[in-house]
Amino acid sequence: EAGVTQFPSHSVIEKGQTVTLRCDPISGHDNLYWYRRVMGKEIKFLLHFVKESKQDESGMPNNRFLAERTGGTYSTLKVQPAELEDSGVYFCASSQRPEKLFFGSGTQLSVL
Amino acid sequence: GQQLNQSPQSMFIQEGEDVSMNCTSSSIFNTWLWYKQDPGEGPVLLIALYKAGELTSNGRLTAQFGITRKDSFLNISASIPSDVGIYFCAGHAGGTSYGKLTFGQGTILTVHP
Repeated sequence: EAGVTQFPSHSVIEKGQTVTLRCDPISGHDNLYWYRRVMGKEIKFLLHFVKESKQDESGMPNNRFLAERTGGTYSTLKVQPAELEDSGVYFCASSQRPEKLFFGSGTQLSVL
Repeated sequence: GQQLNQSPQSMFIQEGEDVSMNCTSSSIFNTWLWYKQDPGEGPVLLIALYKAGELTSNGRLTAQFGITRKDSFLNISASIPSDVGIYFCAGHAGGTSYGKLTFGQGTILTVHP
């Protein structure tokens, strides 16, 4: 069974540019989450989808971040315009049970 | 918001030694989880704990859910080089928080052969 897949694995962009991260969850998992880890700090929750609906987006930093999950399958997280403090590793996770999350390998985002 | 204090931040040990790390919180959690992250990979679930006082093992790993529900520890016995990585504790508050986990800062484990 394929795990959670994220693309790209790395992205280096300049401040002010736009970046879109993609996540393909485990097949059959209705719950999809985005988390972020800024260098050396804890992994922080960004938002949670149930199928195509946003269940909880309380962790989204600001309106420069837009997450979508059209059709309840894959999800994208767009950062526009990117700022220096957006650098970090963005993890996607999916689950059937609320606490048993399966994480992807992450996207390392560097904003210069 | 909720915060988890995980310690130690890093550990350097010799192969064969035992390791212990812990997490404490000012808030109660209904579930405690321990994840391991290998370089270039995402966190992988090692152990999930669902009841206060619960002690669970997974091979050489043992974890406990504190009686107060505000802490948890993870022990690794007879460490081997492949134990190297970052270990994260995470708490789940339950209820409407659904899949929203609160993570500790991580413990970086280095094992010298």
